[in-house]
Amino acid sequence: EPEVTQTPSHQVTQMGQEVILRCVPISNHLYFYWYRQILGQKVEFLVSFYNNEISEKSEIFDDQFSVERPDGSNFTLKIRSTKLEDSAMYFCASSEFAGGWGYEQYFGPGTRLTVT
Amino acid sequence: GESVGLHLPTLSVQEGDNSIINCAYSNSASDYFIWYKQESGKGPQFIIDIRSNMDKRQGQRVTVLLNKTVKHLSLQIAATQPGDSAVYFCAENSGDNDMRFGAGTRLTVKP
Repeated sequence: EPEVTQTPSHQVTQMGQEVILRCVPISNHLYFYWYRQILGQKVEFLVSFYNNEISEKSEIFDDQFSVERPDGSNFTLKIRSTKLEDSAMYFCASSEFAGGWGYEQYFGPGTRLTVT
Repeated sequence: GESVGLHLPTLSVQEGDNSIINCAYSNSASDYFIWYKQESGKGPQFIIDIRSNMDKRQGQRVTVLLNKTVKHLSLQIAATQPGDSAVYFCAENSGDNDMRFGAGTRLTVKP
């Protein structure tokens, strides 16, 4: 069964450094998403991406964050100048149809980011 | 402010019993709801969704009920199995650019 994959599974970085989290969505999917979940807290939506551009973003997704689909398979989340409070599990998701929220999203296993 | 929350943080049921997990929401403009299952160390897994023009939707062993009058959403799992043990949370969208998630209920199935 096709699945969303994410690398690395765990990333440790120092405060102020830049990190890139990588995701490979399911191959025939058109919508891509990033979410984060701070330990013990709710899942939070960050951004959705369709047709090579951001379609929606939350208040959390400020200038510190950026997303990119550098090739036909990868979808990345870049965090510039990481802060301690960026420590969280970051989930990538994808959905097949260009319908925004109305279609099932498949989540990856997550990347645990630890900022020290 | 507007929020999505769960009534109970933990639920323990006997294998074979039915489980009911509840979710309250406060945004009257919410029009799309999803239930997710999250097992330890894994990402959320879509279970079932429902739009506000419906009050019930059924899947395989799961049923979602929506009561817009009291802004309440529930997930019913029939014949609960040990593999159903996980954290379940609801999420809602009101047509804006965000999907809001509840905190989660931990379901434990006792053999």
